[in-house]
Amino acid sequence: GAVVSQHPSRVICKSGTSVKIECRSLDFQATTMFWYRQFPKQSLMLMATSNEGSKATYEQGVEKDKFLINHASLTLSTLTVTSAHPEDSSFYICSARGGMTGYTFGSGTRLTVV
Amino acid sequence: AQKITQTQPGMFVQEKEAVTLDCTYDTSDQSYGLFWYKQPSSGEMIFLIYQGSYDEQNATEGRYSLNFQKARKSANLVISASQLGDSAMYFCAMRALVLKTSYDKVIFGPGTSLSVIP
Repeated sequence: GAVVSQHPSRVICKSGTSVKIECRSLDFQATTMFWYRQFPKQSLMLMATSNEGSKATYEQGVEKDKFLINHASLTLSTLTVTSAHPEDSSFYICSARGGMTGYTFGSGTRLTVV
Repeated sequence: AQKITQTQPGMFVQEKEAVTLDCTYDTSDQSYGLFWYKQPSSGEMIFLIYQGSYDEQNATEGRYSLNFQKARKSANLVISASQLGDSAMYFCAMRALVLKTSYDKVIFGPGTSLSVIP
C-alpha cells in the first residue's frame, strides 16, 4: 500500500534555530501534500497545502515566513520551522493525496524547542 | 464555512460492548467525503472508514460501521465488540473543496478519547 515516510520522528532544537521536517511518498507520486500541526490533546490543524512545483497555500493565521514549505518533486515535501521558539513545540504531521484511502499520512514529528 | 463537530470529549465502553462516537458536519458542498481516523498515543493516524456523500449505503469495515444520515449531516462511527486496543483518540474528518481552486483538503473535528474498560 501507499506509504509516506516522515523524518525525523522526534527532534529537540535550541530556541532560535531552524528545523527541517521531510515527508517522502515511497511508492506513489504525491502532487499535493498537506501539513498539519497538533498540540497536546487537540485536533489536527491544517497549516498549509503544497502542490508540486508551485507555492504553498497557507491557512489563515499561519506565518508563511516562519513555516517554509518546499515541494520540489513529486515524492518529497519539506517543512522548515525557522527561528523556532518554545511555542512552536508541537506534533507536525504530513498527509499526501494518494493511496487507497485517498490520503496517506506520515508518522508525524514531535518537535521540542528548548 | 466547513466544520466538523464531535460533542463527546471522552467516552468509556466496556470490553466486548458496542460504542457510538458522534460526528456532525457542516458544508455547502454537494460532493464531499467523510472519514474516521484512530490516533493511538504513538501519534500515527490510522484510517478506519470512509463515506462518500453520494454513497447510498452506510460504509462498513470489519468492526467499524458509519451511520451516515445526510439530512441530519451526521456521520457517527459505530465500533462493535470493543477491544482494549481500541482505546485511542478518534477523529472525524471531512474532505472539503478549497474555494477558487481545483483541489481539496481534509479538515478534522476536535476528537473523542475512547477508553475501553476490561
